[in-house]
Amino acid sequence: DSGVTQTPKHLITATGQRVTLRCSPRSGDLSVYWYQQSLDQGLQFLIQYYNGEERAKGNILERFSAQQFPDLHSELNLSSLELGDSALYFCASSVDAGRNQPQHFGDGTRLSIL
Amino acid sequence: GQQVMQIPQYQHVQEGEDFTTYCNSSTTLSNIQWYKQRPGGHPVFLIQLVKSGEVKKQKRLTFQFGEAKKNSSLHITATQTTDVGTYFCAPQTGANNLFFGTGTRLTVIP
Repeated sequence: DSGVTQTPKHLITATGQRVTLRCSPRSGDLSVYWYQQSLDQGLQFLIQYYNGEERAKGNILERFSAQQFPDLHSELNLSSLELGDSALYFCASSVDAGRNQPQHFGDGTRLSIL
Repeated sequence: GQQVMQIPQYQHVQEGEDFTTYCNSSTTLSNIQWYKQRPGGHPVFLIQLVKSGEVKKQKRLTFQFGEAKKNSSLHITATQTTDVGTYFCAPQTGANNLFFGTGTRLTVIP
């Protein structure tokens, strides 16, 4: 158990819809990362937050947004969903935002767009 | 920008054979991390290498960081079925900690 909690585990929805994925980091971790992993693909970095503020952005679509709340949990919002958005979305956390920090991953949310 | 190549993409080995995956960067790295993702699981941190030429061992796993800090390898001796999964390198430059290699998927045939 990594200590990172992601909900829901599975999400099935239709094209054009909007969903929210939730992540609670490990106790004491201030930095949260979101990744997208399509079938048999690598980990694509989406966005990073540190202590409530956006720290870095990757290849995140404009239809996607995220935030980190004062209690440090984070939400990833995906809107106007397309078939290609079907993927496993991982959240990871680390103690702080710098390098040398191992990332601890949650079990992921599997999003299926029908 | 940073270019990272991880090879091979796939590797099938007989149980008991050795396995190596390589991570090569076009730029000098500050450090590199390695992760393992079991089928159906999430990535799990294995190790971090920081120093030029560093070698670290974890039981049957040997991790190396190149002298120029541009490449790294993970070697597994005498693979077991429990080694099955995808191994990712996560090379790091500057202050960021965000990129993962493409991964090497290891299949171990009993």
